Amino acid sequence: DAGVTQSPTHLIKTRGQQVTLRCSPKSGHDTVSWYQQALGQGPQFIFQYYEEEERQRGNFPDRFSGHQFPNYSSELNVNALLLGDSALYLCASSLPGQGEEKLFFGSGTQLSVL
Amino acid sequence: QQQVKQSPQSLIVQKGGIPIINCAYENTAFDYFPWYQQFPGKGPALLIAIRPDVSEKKEGRFTISFNKSAKQFSLHIMDSQPGDSATYFCAASDRSGTASKLTFGTGTRLQVTL
Repeated sequence: DAGVTQSPTHLIKTRGQQVTLRCSPKSGHDTVSWYQQALGQGPQFIFQYYEEEERQRGNFPDRFSGHQFPNYSSELNVNALLLGDSALYLCASSLPGQGEEKLFFGSGTQLSVL
Repeated sequence: QQQVKQSPQSLIVQKGGIPIINCAYENTAFDYFPWYQQFPGKGPALLIAIRPDVSEKKEGRFTISFNKSAKQFSLHIMDSQPGDSATYFCAASDRSGTASKLTFGTGTRLQVTL
C-alpha cells in the first residue's frame, strides 16, 4: 500500500514564476492538507481540501491556491514566486471523518526560488 | 503568532537516557496534542497523541505527560537509542467549523550518542 506520494521531489524556480506541486493521498484517504516547512521550522498549515473544496485555509496569501480532483489527489499552485517561498512543501492525507488529526505526510517537495 | 512553544531547540543524550521535550500552548480551544518525528529528507510521522481528558499516555518507549491547567505537555523517550535521533515536533489541533488544522511547534533536534 503506497503512502502519500508527492511530485516532484525537488524544484528550482526564479522569482515571479509559477509552480504546481502534486500529491496523491494514501489509499482510502479523502482529505488532503498542504503545509509549508521553512528550514529549521515546524510545518505551517496552508489549506485543506475535502470533497474537492477548500475546507479551511491558513494565513497564506491568495498567491497560494489549490485543487482536489475526484480521485482525491491534489495540486498546490503558487503564483508570482518570492524568495521567501523557498521551503519544503508537505502534503498530508487523513482518514475519512478524522480531518486533520491523524495525518500521514509525504516526503515533500523541496522548492528553491532564486 | 506562535501558539505552540517548544523547547529545547536541540538535545543530546547518551544511549539509554531519557530525553524530555516540552511544549506549551495558549489557545484553550486546542483539543488534540500529537507528537511527530521527522528524519532528514522525510515528512513528519505521527508518534503518539493525547487528548486533554487524560494526563498521561504511553506507547512503547514514548510517553506523553499532559498538564491541562498549566497548558503544557511533554514527550519522554525511555531507553533512547541512536535510531531515535531525529527532529521531534509537538502540535496542537482545534476544530474550527467543519475542519481542524494542526499548529506545530518549532521542533527539537535530538541526537542520541553511543
